[in-house]
Amino acid sequence: GQQVMQIPQYQHVQEGEDFTTYCNSSTTLSNIQWYKQRPGGHPVFLIQLVKSGEVKKQKRLTFQFGEAKKNSSLHITATQTTDVGTYFCAGPPVRDNFNKFYFGSGTKLNVKP
Amino acid sequence: DTGVSQDPRHKITKRGQNVTFRCDPISEHNRLYWYRQTLGQGPEFLTYFQNEAQLEKSRLLSDRFSAERPKGSFSTLEIQRTEQGDSAMYLCASSPPSPRSRDGYTFGSGTRLTVV
Repeated sequence: GQQVMQIPQYQHVQEGEDFTTYCNSSTTLSNIQWYKQRPGGHPVFLIQLVKSGEVKKQKRLTFQFGEAKKNSSLHITATQTTDVGTYFCAGPPVRDNFNKFYFGSGTKLNVKP
Repeated sequence: DTGVSQDPRHKITKRGQNVTFRCDPISEHNRLYWYRQTLGQGPEFLTYFQNEAQLEKSRLLSDRFSAERPKGSFSTLEIQRTEQGDSAMYLCASSPPSPRSRDGYTFGSGTRLTVV
């Protein structure tokens, strides 16, 4: 069945260090979305990537979608304590409809001040 | 209408009891989703509505689970004869019709169910 894996599961960084989480799907995705979930909160939409090889930036965050549309990454430059949370990727398989998103297992980021 | 509302926020129930959760999506969003999230895991798809039609239901969902969205507005998720394994956060999300679906899901704050 469809699987979306994320690594690492946990990441502890010192404030100011960079952080990267990787997302890998067992099947080709139509698009990929990234969400952030603060401790005790609910997932909040960050961005969607659609095109093969697409790169998008949001301030200190850089998102990439792989050429084969089976993997993606999120890179945060110079982390801040406000970046703490769990980052999820999610996407619908190409063979599926666009409405059912499979979520990765998430990468939990902790930033030490 | 500032977001997706879910009620109740928390529910503690005894095993074997029935529970019902409510979700009020963003008014102009015609798509509504129910997900379940357990500790340390990503949200797991349960079911999807477009307007009032339930278009997809996870095979993981047993017959004890049922969802409705009468009139294409709010939705309810009912779990009958609850089991301890049903304990989880139940998240509702909505999204606008395509092509605005690129805006992503808007999640509610969830209903945390504890079955004792």
